[in-house]
Amino acid sequence: DVQLLESGGGLVQPGGSLRLSCAASGFTFSTYAMNWVRQAPGKGLEWVSIISGSGDTTYYADSVKGRFTISRDNSKNTLYLQMNSLRAEDTAVYYCAKDRIGAAGIGSSLRNWGQGTLVTVSS
Amino acid sequence: DIQMTQSPSSLSASVGDRVTITCRASQSISSYLNWYQQKPGKAPKVLIYAAYTLQSGVPSRFSGSGSGTDFTLTIASLQPEDFATYYCQQSHSTPLTFGGGTKVEIK
Repeated sequence: DVQLLESGGGLVQPGGSLRLSCAASGFTFSTYAMNWVRQAPGKGLEWVSIISGSGDTTYYADSVKGRFTISRDNSKNTLYLQMNSLRAEDTAVYYCAKDRIGAAGIGSSLRNWGQGTLVTVSS
Repeated sequence: DIQMTQSPSSLSASVGDRVTITCRASQSISSYLNWYQQKPGKAPKVLIYAAYTLQSGVPSRFSGSGSGTDFTLTIASLQPEDFATYYCQQSHSTPLTFGGGTKVEIK
């Protein structure tokens, strides 16, 4: 069975940094693109970023471009999200999600999701 | 960026009702449209991808249709476990974008 386990969330001050991790198991990690999706408290889903299976292609939401960096270590079956210059509006549950395909972008479908990790940005 | 607009934002329905949720894209996205279901406190679950392809394991009472800019998710006969929030998402181009969601509540 596919398992995705996020970690690294917590309370951080505005302007601070945090790195989220997503440990994957139950599938050939390098074959699939991976995504980060977030959900602010009581709000809808917001796609954050995607990385191709090989790691050579990445895309970001406009709201995080230049501040967040997605990466992956296929030898460790782990996805990362480095979040810098955090703002109050980044407060959300962050989900990692396995894609249906290996390429990043067109034709994407988020097939498997982790349980999420809460990031709170507050002073 | 492609904007996704869902309607209605919420609806009340009874068990056994036929429910239809619509999703409109701000430009043509061909058939690159996914539907997700989310229950409170849980991660979303994909129901339909590529506009009308049912994800394995999803009950056949769920169906999707549409192409271009207008799409529909239909629940043929609403079951108690279907009360949830539903989201559409386009995967035609990045940034990938979700609709605002439709909350299906018990009447």
